[in-house]
Amino acid sequence: DTAVSQTPKYLVTQMGNDKSIKCEQNLGHDTMYWYKQDSKKFLKIMFSYNNKELIINETVPNRFSPKSPDKAHLNLHINSLELGDSAVYFCASSQASGTYEQYFGPGTRLTVT
Amino acid sequence: AQSVSQHNHHVILSEAASLELGCNYSYGGTVNLFWYVQYPGQHLQLLLKYFSGDPLVKGIKGFEAEFIKSKFSFNLRKPSVQWSDTAEYFCAVKIYNQGGKLIFGQGTELSVKP
Repeated sequence: DTAVSQTPKYLVTQMGNDKSIKCEQNLGHDTMYWYKQDSKKFLKIMFSYNNKELIINETVPNRFSPKSPDKAHLNLHINSLELGDSAVYFCASSQASGTYEQYFGPGTRLTVT
Repeated sequence: AQSVSQHNHHVILSEAASLELGCNYSYGGTVNLFWYVQYPGQHLQLLLKYFSGDPLVKGIKGFEAEFIKSKFSFNLRKPSVQWSDTAEYFCAVKIYNQGGKLIFGQGTELSVKP
């Protein structure tokens, strides 16, 4: 059984479009995260939600909007896509935001043309 | 600003060689430390973690790491690497009371020649 799943796995789209990436975890965790991995494989936190409440919002353009309909889901919506948004986006979850390890999803490779 | 530094960008070893990957972080307070591995085309998997207690921690697949607080370091080691260890390795730090975010190093690409 997949613990943290993301859809789609690959996403190719044109500049200016709006797209969403979905994430679901079946671990019963309270906290979920979005990370961005750039072309140099550097990983950086974008957002974190704890029980549907936003707790981390790093310096991310307003075009990125996370939505958590329930604590098992954290979706990422991106408006007006730009070339620089091309990256691999990883969702992760942890039991809580404290001393707990994070479990990562398989990633979504977004390519903006 | 807090940061994590991994000294080696790309390491190439032959099978059975010993491995040590360096990781240093810049923060003087309480931290949790992690090493993650990313095999080609796959997601990140946890190798090992340090929260408290014995500074020498053992992880999966024969990996271990030692937390040296005075040096702000958490180096990853394996006595004898295998071809299947070829992957990208990430050191990460979680700072206490910062919402649980992980701060990652730049990653080290390990290539093991058969």
